[in-house]
Amino acid sequence: EIVLTQSPATLSLSPGERATLACRASEYVSSFLAWYQQKPGQPPRLLIYDASNRATGIPARFSGSGSGTDFTLTISSLEPEDFAVYYCHQRFVWPRTFGQGTKVEIK
Amino acid sequence: EVQLVQSGAEVKRPGESLKISCSASGYNFRSYWIGWVRQLPGKGLEWIGIIYPRDSDTKYRPSFQGQVTISADTSISAAYLEWSSLKASDSGMYFCVREGRIFPDTDSWGQGTLVTVSS
Repeated sequence: EIVLTQSPATLSLSPGERATLACRASEYVSSFLAWYQQKPGQPPRLLIYDASNRATGIPARFSGSGSGTDFTLTISSLEPEDFAVYYCHQRFVWPRTFGQGTKVEIK
Repeated sequence: EVQLVQSGAEVKRPGESLKISCSASGYNFRSYWIGWVRQLPGKGLEWIGIIYPRDSDTKYRPSFQGQVTISADTSISAAYLEWSSLKASDSGMYFCVREGRIFPDTDSWGQGTLVTVSS
């Protein structure tokens, strides 16, 4: 199966700072890569679909880039509600897989 | 609007059977893949399996093959995840997920069903 490796595991930042999260796939996934945000007790919330498309209602401070095996999620200026765990997810092949997650915590 | 509504939390004993459900609305249920994702307490997300309701084509992650059964009822637009004999290690949150296609037709998630297996 395709392994998605996210880095870093934890990102300690202050509100207003820029966050850059990486996801590397062990094999080619084209642009079929999504990013999710999850807060405790909630289902994952779709942020970015197919590498760079912001989902409905997602603020413009979230952006995604990449294709093939290397992808990035950027949060341009962290808001207090952005501190959460972020997962990348590939839907190129079965089994679909998720990265292990990056926790964005308040510094 | 796509909506996925899952059945409520369950508390079971090891060895018991269980079938949880996901009721779909707002789209053509027969024509989209729908599946299940597990999240163990404090852990990440992993796909269990997925089904195409129109022809019941079903795929399982190898580690779940034979451990669970995924099914769908097109007459009521519902998907199911079933265990014949639960283990304590099955305790966790289970999400149903409808796969999207080309943007803006994106993935949709249910609210989750908490399964607790304890003697």
